[in-house]
Amino acid sequence: DADVTQTPRNRITKTGKRIMLECSQTKGHDRMYWYRQDPGLGLRLIYYSFDVKDINKGEISDGYSVSRQAQAKFSLSLESAIPNQTALYFCATSVQSGPHNEQFFGPGTRLTVL
Amino acid sequence: AQKITQTQPGMFVQEKEAVTLDCTYDTSDQSYGLFWYKQPSSGEMIFLIYQGSYDEQNATEGRYSLNFQKARKSANLVISASQLGDSAMYFCAMRVNNAGNMLTFGGGTRLMVKP
Repeated sequence: DADVTQTPRNRITKTGKRIMLECSQTKGHDRMYWYRQDPGLGLRLIYYSFDVKDINKGEISDGYSVSRQAQAKFSLSLESAIPNQTALYFCATSVQSGPHNEQFFGPGTRLTVL
Repeated sequence: AQKITQTQPGMFVQEKEAVTLDCTYDTSDQSYGLFWYKQPSSGEMIFLIYQGSYDEQNATEGRYSLNFQKARKSANLVISASQLGDSAMYFCAMRVNNAGNMLTFGGGTRLMVKP
């Protein structure tokens, strides 16, 4: 089945460390997204990419960077992790046009920054 | 800016009964889409149902239906004949069509189905 995968699924790290979260998809979608989920706040958009050469900041991009290595791969980096970046991180994909343009989500990465 | 409000942090429903999860939204755009996602305890986000702002009929998908009241800017999810497996977090989200495909999410409602 075409899928969206995230690695690692769980990560515990220390303040100040550099962390990379990876997302791969076999759906053939052009558009990819990174969200974080905090309790009671739903999901908030960090970065999004409409193709390999197009990367845009979302609502909460400070402290994060991304790389779109290929159509199928979109990585999120925390250059110097801090405790308030402890959250559940989701990657998502979508097509450019379609009946609903719904986003398909990966399983999530639970990140804890000590 | 767009905003989604889900006023029910948590709800209980008896198995086999229907339940309505509230969602109100705020946007000045005329063309937009509304989504509901389910997040079980395992954490994944599952797409449930979609309603376009120009759709004249309320969306339905199996036991899920969307009560869309455009003038009130509400898009409530109705789950009929609740099952134990419906226990989960439910998120309402909106996409404004002239702003790419980005979603704005509400804070979610935790639904607990009682046997």
